[in-house]
Amino acid sequence: AQSVSQHNHHVILSEAASLELGCNYSYGGTVNLFWYVQYPGQHLQLLLKYFSGDPLVKGIKGFEAEFIKSKFSFNLRKPSVQWSDTAEYFCAVNAPNQGGKLIFGQGTELSVKP
Amino acid sequence: ETGVTQTPRHLVMGMTNKKSLKCEQHLGHNAMYWYKQSAKKPLELMFVYNFKEQTENNSVPSRFSPECPNSSHLFLHLHTLQPEDSALYLCASSALGGLVFVGTGELFFGEGSRLTVL
Repeated sequence: AQSVSQHNHHVILSEAASLELGCNYSYGGTVNLFWYVQYPGQHLQLLLKYFSGDPLVKGIKGFEAEFIKSKFSFNLRKPSVQWSDTAEYFCAVNAPNQGGKLIFGQGTELSVKP
Repeated sequence: ETGVTQTPRHLVMGMTNKKSLKCEQHLGHNAMYWYKQSAKKPLELMFVYNFKEQTENNSVPSRFSPECPNSSHLFLHLHTLQPEDSALYLCASSALGGLVFVGTGELFFGEGSRLTVL
């Protein structure tokens, strides 16, 4: 069965610090990869996605993620975080031949101190 | 506004009550999902409906009963729940294509229904 693992449960950073959140998945076939973000009290929303092509994908609000197939990883990065980035971040994977369902990691809570 | 609306936003119920959660999507999608979000755990996929047909039941206890009358509406009927069922229940929708249910996995989520079982 597919699984998604996020290494950090809670990350605390100061503003302007750089961010990297780890994500690894276990699935040997073609996958689509996602990062979703959930701001406090809000719905889950898409941050960025990888389907094919350039393994370095850019998303909204200055976030980017790099797909490294050999490592089954899709880490999320941002060079300089802001207080408004405080949220929970979820990595997710979809195998296209299994319908539209997503398998999520357990989430990483990011707290940015002003 | 996400295009996916869930009601109620908050629900408190006793273990003997019967209640329902409702989800409506205005995006023209043909697949709908129920996920359960508990603290410190991955989002758990509960049910998947494609073109109104249930295509996945992820070993969910029978005290949760889904209903999908059309591609735009999804319900989760609740009865004789347990306190450990307290969680945020998320509805999502997506577009599918092809003869087999092929999807990209890009889901659009509602804001969730926060359920507390006393």
